[in-house]
Amino acid sequence: EAQVTQNPRYLITVTGKKLTVTCSQNMNHEYMSWYRQDPGLGLRQIYYSMNVEVTDKGDVPEGYKVSRKEKRNFPLILESPSPNQTSLYFCASSLSTDTQYFGPGTRLTVL
Amino acid sequence: QKEVEQDPGPLSVPEGAIVSLNCTYSNSAFQYFMWYRQYSRKGPELLMYTYSSGNKEDGRFTAQVDKSSKYISLFIRDSQPSDSATYLCAMSVPGGSNYKLTFGKGTLLTVNP
Repeated sequence: EAQVTQNPRYLITVTGKKLTVTCSQNMNHEYMSWYRQDPGLGLRQIYYSMNVEVTDKGDVPEGYKVSRKEKRNFPLILESPSPNQTSLYFCASSLSTDTQYFGPGTRLTVL
Repeated sequence: QKEVEQDPGPLSVPEGAIVSLNCTYSNSAFQYFMWYRQYSRKGPELLMYTYSSGNKEDGRFTAQVDKSSKYISLFIRDSQPSDSATYLCAMSVPGGSNYKLTFGKGTLLTVNP
């Protein structure tokens, strides 16, 4: 089954404690992206990757890092999380612009 | 002016009603238009995709694009309780190195049995 998986699905942490949200896709897509979804602001892109070792900033990259060492994985790293990073995070993958597959989401709370 | 505007609702209709969801946009570079459905506690799921003005039909769903007015719509015929979800319009610019989608904020739809 074609899918994008994210882990963990739910995470509560404290300010400053480094964390990683993993994302993996089994569709051999070159393009992967991270979005955050906030009430009243909708979905906004954080980072994206066009291929292995190729990443770039989206609209709201501050406070986040990513890496793309393998085609299937695109982890999102928060080196020093802050409360304003409390959000619902989605990973997506795609072959092209028209069809993007989204993961189930990771709900992050930073206290 | 925001790039994509979408009425957040909420919208509540009886089962069997025709539902109309709409978005307007300001960036004329947008050429690809999508509608996503998002159930509670789930990721967005692509419903419809089109890149030309006019109508595109898929079962009970019809997507309409009017590029001259910068206006897109999604119509749901014979709405069902299972259609209850948040509907997100999304748009993108062709070409380039980023397949970024620019989303509307979503419209929460409830279809009552």
